[in-house]
Amino acid sequence: KNQVEQSPQSLIILEGKNCTLQCNYTVSPFSNLRWYKQDTGRGPVSLTIMTFSENTKSNGRYTATLDADTKQSSLHITASQLSDSASYICVVHTGFQKLVFGTGTRLLVSP
Amino acid sequence: DTAVSQTPKYLVTQMGNDKSIKCEQNLGHDTMYWYKQDSKKFLKIMFSYNNKELIINETVPNRFSPKSPDKAHLNLHINSLELGDSAVYFCASSIQRGGYNEQFFGPGTRLTVL
Repeated sequence: KNQVEQSPQSLIILEGKNCTLQCNYTVSPFSNLRWYKQDTGRGPVSLTIMTFSENTKSNGRYTATLDADTKQSSLHITASQLSDSASYICVVHTGFQKLVFGTGTRLLVSP
Repeated sequence: DTAVSQTPKYLVTQMGNDKSIKCEQNLGHDTMYWYKQDSKKFLKIMFSYNNKELIINETVPNRFSPKSPDKAHLNLHINSLELGDSAVYFCASSIQRGGYNEQFFGPGTRLTVL
């Protein structure tokens, strides 16, 4: 069964600290993996997309990694800011026009 | 210069009523989607249209009927609303069909059925 699991479910960190969010998937076949950020009361916005051959991709203070062998991805946030408080959603594309969404991680950055 | 817009933003209605949510994108995209996000923030795709043609129809009650008058608009009509329909509904669009293409989401419509 195609599944995407994210951990932790929620996380509180102090402003300026780093954090890492995890995404494990059992989706097959695998085409690509995308991380979205969803601010409260708004729609998700894409942060990065990673294909099978990519191990690391950065977007400012956000760095995503992908290990296609272990079917794991992580999103690392450096020097967190209050505006990073949001839900982060991992989405895996199977290649059959099917997207499998994770349940998300809620991040709260505290001053 | 809003990319994907939805109306209304909030919708409160009684059980059994019929309601519609409208979506418009000005990005020139070919593909549009409707998602439902439940109270646990889990996003689930409902429908997808490509150039006004239905291409994805997940297991959704037939009380939900999407309509795409042109490729810039995808509306969602819901008949006989039930309590379980309460959720946030997101419209999205992508330049073409296919999971590699980034989806741009609207601000969401929070539907509350009383």
